[in-house]
Amino acid sequence: KAGVTQTPRYLIKTRGQQVTLSCSPISGHRSVSWYQQTPGQGLQFLFEYFSETQRNKGNFPGRFSGRQFSNSRSEMNVSTLELGDSALYLCASSSGLHNEQFFGPGTRLTVL
Amino acid sequence: GENVEQHPSTLSVQEGDSAVIKCTYSDSASNYFPWYKQELGKRPQLIIDIRSNVGEKKDQRIAVTLNKTAKHFSLHITETQPEDSAVYFCAASMRNEKLTFGTGTRLTIIP
Repeated sequence: KAGVTQTPRYLIKTRGQQVTLSCSPISGHRSVSWYQQTPGQGLQFLFEYFSETQRNKGNFPGRFSGRQFSNSRSEMNVSTLELGDSALYLCASSSGLHNEQFFGPGTRLTVL
Repeated sequence: GENVEQHPSTLSVQEGDSAVIKCTYSDSASNYFPWYKQELGKRPQLIIDIRSNVGEKKDQRIAVTLNKTAKHFSLHITETQPEDSAVYFCAASMRNEKLTFGTGTRLTIIP
């Protein structure tokens, strides 16, 4: 099976702009979770989508949003970018039944 | 919500020695405890996991132990090799709930 893929791999944006990141899960996986990884904060959970519905949500502001499509692909959107949003954004997919999560390579977002 | 603490934050061991990383969790309802290894510039990869109906699980040089009463679990790596150098993350979750990660341990194997 192909692994989890994320696009783009790198992004450079300026403050105030918005960005959309994409994640394609492993075939057959219905759950996609998003994490923000920074050197100081580790892996912080953003949200999880299962069968097109947000099932869990972390403690991030409303500028961070997501959605999932019928083919389980997921997108994450960040509006009104701030310098502190610079991070590696990882998505992970799972079957949704047994908790094992498999990560994608991440999107490195730099906000200038 | 769940809170996971991980220690130590950095660990250096001589090649061939054992390494132990410890995590504690706060929510007694958590029942799934995975460990991830993240090499520099790469994605986190699941290396072993344990569920709350099991006290210990082994996979070659890697083992995980779980003490539900004390709410802690540990990763043990024996006969360490240079390729074991990486950042290791523990995590905890309940069924169908989010994974809560520890802050990571940077393991360095000294040749």
